[in-house]
Amino acid sequence: DIQMTQSPSSLSASVGDRVIITCRASQNINNYLNWYQQKPGKAPKLLIYAASSLQSGVPSRFSGSGSGTDFTLTISSLQPEDFATYYCQESYSTPSLTFGGGTKVEIK
Amino acid sequence: QLQLQESGPGLVKPSETLSLTCTVSGGSISSSSFYGGWIRQPPGKGLEFIAAINYSGITYYKPSLRSRVTISVDLSKNQFSLTLSSVTAADSAMYYCARQYYDVLTGYYYFDRWGQGTLVTVSS
Repeated sequence: DIQMTQSPSSLSASVGDRVIITCRASQNINNYLNWYQQKPGKAPKLLIYAASSLQSGVPSRFSGSGSGTDFTLTISSLQPEDFATYYCQESYSTPSLTFGGGTKVEIK
Repeated sequence: QLQLQESGPGLVKPSETLSLTCTVSGGSISSSSFYGGWIRQPPGKGLEFIAAINYSGITYYKPSLRSRVTISVDLSKNQFSLTLSSVTAADSAMYYCARQYYDVLTGYYYFDRWGQGTLVTVSS
């Protein structure tokens, strides 16, 4: 199985900060990488697919990059509604479709 | 707007079988782009993909769960279902159904519509 490792597991940031979350795959997954946001008590929400494509309706302060094994999710200017947990997910190795362990973004 | 809704018992006894159904509204699951998927999340933990199915019955399962999981589709009811046998406390989790959109041109998959989730507790 492909392993997906996110870092950091948690971070504290202030409104307006630039936040970068990384995700590393244990093998080459090309750009078959998705990012989700999950708020407490809610289902995950798709932010980015195919490593860098912004899902419709998602604010442009969210962006994704990377290919191969190393990927990043960037929030250019953190907003109050962005405090949540973020997950990466590979869609290369059907049927496993492994998620990363998550990164919790908290208020500093 | 496509919506998904999970249903099923919230409490299952150890060694028994968990059965959940996802009802899809606002769109048809009979599409080459639609895969119905199940994902679970134990309390305070991360997300785990379980299985997915499309309208023609093509299925795929997480290998480590394959021996205990069955996923099925009912096109007449616009539903897909999950059964998980021989459950233990480790199977206690929030269970989500989701549409896994399949882009037939690029081959990309992603979960773009989710149900609200249903909490399943395994306990005697």
